[in-house]
Amino acid sequence: GQQVMQIPQYQHVQEGEDFTTYCNSSTTLSNIQWYKQRPGGHPVFLIQLVKSGEVKKQKRLTFQFGEAKKNSSLHITATQTTDVGTYFCAGQYGNKLVFGAGTILRVKS
Amino acid sequence: DSGVTQTPKHLITATGQRVTLRCSPRSGDLSVYWYQQSLDQGLQFLIQYYNGEERAKGNILERFSAQQFPDLHSELNLSSLELGDSALYFCASSASGSRTDTQYFGPGTRLTVL
Repeated sequence: GQQVMQIPQYQHVQEGEDFTTYCNSSTTLSNIQWYKQRPGGHPVFLIQLVKSGEVKKQKRLTFQFGEAKKNSSLHITATQTTDVGTYFCAGQYGNKLVFGAGTILRVKS
Repeated sequence: DSGVTQTPKHLITATGQRVTLRCSPRSGDLSVYWYQQSLDQGLQFLIQYYNGEERAKGNILERFSAQQFPDLHSELNLSSLELGDSALYFCASSASGSRTDTQYFGPGTRLTVL
């Protein structure tokens, strides 16, 4: 079935270091969305990528969608303690949104 | 605050029982989605309703059912509960339910089956 693989499962960085999480699908996606879930919270929508090769930025966050629309990445520059949480990608297959397993980010200050 | 409300916040029940989780979407949103989040399965899409009609189905067990009412609130019914049903259940809503819609998640209901 449709599956989105997300790596790494867990990342622990020093404040100020960069962080990247990657998502990969075996089949082409209609679009890909990214969500952040703070500890004890609910997923919060960050961004959606629709076009092949699309790159979008939100302050220190950079999102990319691969040329084949099968992979995506989220890169955070100079992490801060407020960045802690779990980052999920979610690939759109038809009418269904399939979430990756998430990457848990911890930031040491 | 996403504008999506879910009740109850916590629910503790026994195996074999039946429970109902309730969700009120953001004002104006026509589509409601249900997700299950557990430690071993991650965030799993269960089902989507749009304006009262079922639109998409995910990994929803036959013991589970949902509906969306004319006022657009939705209920998720879980029956013959098993220990493995213990999880966080999220409801999300979106404006039209199209593929490019942003989904807004509620705070979740934490279900514990003992």
